[in-house]
Order: sequence, then structure tokens, then C-alpha cells
Amino acid sequence: GAGVSQSPSNKVTEKGKDVELRCDPISGHTALYWYRQSLGQGLEFLIYFQGNSAPDKSGLPSDRFSAERTGGSVSTLTIQRTQQEDSAVYLCASSLGAGVTYNEQFFGPGTRLTVL
Amino acid sequence: AQSVAQPEDQVNVAEGNPLTVKCTYSVSGNPYLFWYVQYPNRGLQFLLKYITGDNLVKGSYGFEAEFNKSQTSFHLKKPSALVSDSALYFCAVRDMLAGNTPLVFGKGTRLSVIA
Repeated sequence: GAGVSQSPSNKVTEKGKDVELRCDPISGHTALYWYRQSLGQGLEFLIYFQGNSAPDKSGLPSDRFSAERTGGSVSTLTIQRTQQEDSAVYLCASSLGAGVTYNEQFFGPGTRLTVL
Repeated sequence: AQSVAQPEDQVNVAEGNPLTVKCTYSVSGNPYLFWYVQYPNRGLQFLLKYITGDNLVKGSYGFEAEFNKSQTSFHLKKPSALVSDSALYFCAVRDMLAGNTPLVFGKGTRLSVIA
């Protein structure tokens, strides 16, 4: 596709349920990033994938959060046993990969997660 | 460590007047600097970036930003604001030596352009 896509655009779930958020990066982009944006707040880094390297999980807030990237393309962010404080907009971004370090990140439209 | 500060949560400007959205940064080495804009219920949209060379960078929609190494600043500017410029603006930084690591973002500045 022309840009980064994310699905679903909105997700409402009950506390304690698991959710999966999907990101399709721009074709050819080897770097993929997940951020979280809470209401009125800036962007909080969650996890970063670069090619076949082990992901940088340093931003994940708890072990309820995990992400994987299959085939170097699509990524899924999973939140287990959701809590109300997980309510936020989850943003995915991708960029061209290694060798050039000044590439900008291209963002998807986000998934708005509401935990009741 | 890398960090970005956007000292103003909110900037109000009259349509047709010049606008400035402030950003200062901190990196160990030399910075790559970025500005993004977020319209309501949308993802972040890239505006411009500073890599090296000319300190004045021109970007989309008539925006520009000036890199000032001595003041560690990268303020976003536009000579004449439009109502449609009203949005949330984010400054971001990456240390040149940090590879393709995630950009570090400021908390954002909400710009309101009043007709």
C-alpha cells in the first residue's frame, strides 16, 4: 500500500480481555516501531524491530504487552488482560532500514483502544 | 541519553501572523531533528528534518525550521499562519550515532490559529 495501515481503527474491550492490534508497514521498510499516545500526552515508545535483529522491547510497560513481526513485514501488538490504563491510541511507524540513520518515520493512523 | 523539550503546551496566533513553535534538544553527539504534525484523529505526518548543512530547513505547507547548535534549538516557523495549520506539533530527535533507533519525541505543542 501507499502508507502504513493499522487495524482496527477503534477497539473497545472489557477489562481483563486480550486484544491484538495489527500494523502493515510500507513495503520495503525494514524498521518498524510501536508507540502509545495517551490523551493529552506525547508519544511513548513501546517496541522497535529492525530487519531480522532481536527487537528492542525496552519500552514495553509490562509483561502483558508483547509484539511480533512475521516475515519482516506485518506486526501484531498483543495486550493481555487489558487494564483501564491501557486505553490510548497505539501508533505504528515504519522507516527505511539500516545504513541510513536519518530516515524519517512514517506513521499509520493509529488504533484507538478503550478498555471499559 | 536523548531528549526533546517543547516548552509551550499551547500556542495561539492570529491568522496571517507569523508563528513559532519552540523545540530544544539534548543528545550526546550530533542530532538529526524532525518536525511532525498531527491533525485530529489522524496519525503523525512528517513536515521536515534537519540532517546537515544549511541551518534553515524548508518543509511541507510553507513551514520551515532553523537549527541552532549553540542554543540546541530547532524552532518551527511559518511566515503567515492559516486556520488550517491548527493542529498538534511534535519535535523529535535522534542521535547520529544511534542507528535507526526510534525517534525521541517531545510532548507536543497545540497550535491554534484564530481567524
